[in-house]
This record gives sequence, structure tokens and C-alpha cells, in this order.
Amino acid sequence: AQTVTQSQPEMSVQEAETVTLSCTYDTSESDYYLFWYKQPPSRQMILVIRQEAYKQQNATENRFSVNFQKAAKSFSLKISDSQLGDAAMYFCASWGYSGGGADGLTFGKGTHLIIQP
Amino acid sequence: DTEVTQTPKHLVMGMTNKKSLKCEQHMGHRAMYWYKQKAKKPPELMFVYSYEKLSINESVPSRFSPECPNSSLLNLHLHALQPEDSALYLCASSQVDRRANYGYTFGSGTRLTVV
Repeated sequence: AQTVTQSQPEMSVQEAETVTLSCTYDTSESDYYLFWYKQPPSRQMILVIRQEAYKQQNATENRFSVNFQKAAKSFSLKISDSQLGDAAMYFCASWGYSGGGADGLTFGKGTHLIIQP
Repeated sequence: DTEVTQTPKHLVMGMTNKKSLKCEQHMGHRAMYWYKQKAKKPPELMFVYSYEKLSINESVPSRFSPECPNSSLLNLHLHALQPEDSALYLCASSQVDRRANYGYTFGSGTRLTVV
């Protein structure tokens, strides 16, 4: 089964500074995609950034970028110039067999990001 | 329209009640999903509909029953639920490729409380 591991339950950063959230994964797939989702208190899961595993280049979306290390199966999210609106739960995710009979996006346990003004 | 709409946003039901959650999307996605999310936990996959074919996570109890009347609409029928079923229920959809090349689009969820 697919596994996604986030080892930081909570992170805190000063507004305007940079923070990195860690994620490791395990997959038997040869072609796969990785995602970071944000879930603010409004509850909706919002796609922040996606990475195609066969691409060497790290994905970037404005202030959000990833450090994708395929051999190490590591997929960290860097948020630059942190803003108060970035405060949320962040989930790393990958598609794969969840082990229960249905396959779909599998999520890590999440990192609660706090932005200090 | 780039949204997944879930109704109702909040639901309180007794253990003997029958209720339904509704999910709708008009993005032309042919795969739809139900997730259950407990507080401070990640979403857990319950059901997948892809081209109207159902896949079930074996750990989901039979008191949850999904229905896909058409490719844009997904329902979750609830019957004889237990208090531990109280959670946020998220619906999502994706393009044809179930490997989620482009990720899933999520609704804002239904907060369910079973009393």
C-alpha cells in the first residue's frame, strides 16, 4: 500500500519568513504524481502544488516551491515570504492503492502551520 | 464552473435516522470520491466512482451507501449511524485518469454529527 509520512505535526514561522514542510513517501509505481494540499479552517482542501515524478525540475507556484528528491523519496514544500493567510493544515499526498480495496489520493498526517505576526 | 458543491454543510442526525449527503460537479470529471475526515486527522478514502463503476474501501461499514445517479452527481446515503461516525465528509472529483495527474478538486465538506 501507498504510504505518505509527514514528521512535523506543527510548525511556526514569523510572517515574511521562509518555512519548509517535510514529506517522505513510499511507492511501487514507476510513474506517479505528488501533491501538497492546504486545508484552512474553512475546511476545503486546496491544491497548492503538484510534482510529476518523471520531471527533474522542481515545481514552483509563486511563493510555493518543492524540493523533490526522487531517490530519497522526499518531497518537501517551501513557502517563501509567509503570509497570515498561509496558516492552515498542509497535507502531502500521492495517488496509490490505499490497501483497503479502493485506490485514490493518500494523505500524510498533516502539518499544522502557524504564522506569527 | 470549477467547483465541487456539497450539501448540506452541516447535519445532525439521530442513530435511527436515514439521511443523504449530496455532491455535485460540472467540470466534466468522470471520477468522484467520498472521504471521511476526523478532527486533526487526514482524509481517509471511503468510495471511488470512476466511469460509474464503484470501488469500496473494505473498512467502510455498510451503514454508508454511495450512489452515483450520473457522472456529475454523487450521493452518500446514511442509515443507522453511530456516534463515532461523526466527522467531516469530503467529496472530490478528478479528470478521467484516476492516478490523479492533476489532483483532486474538493468540496468544502459536510460536518456530520450523530447523536
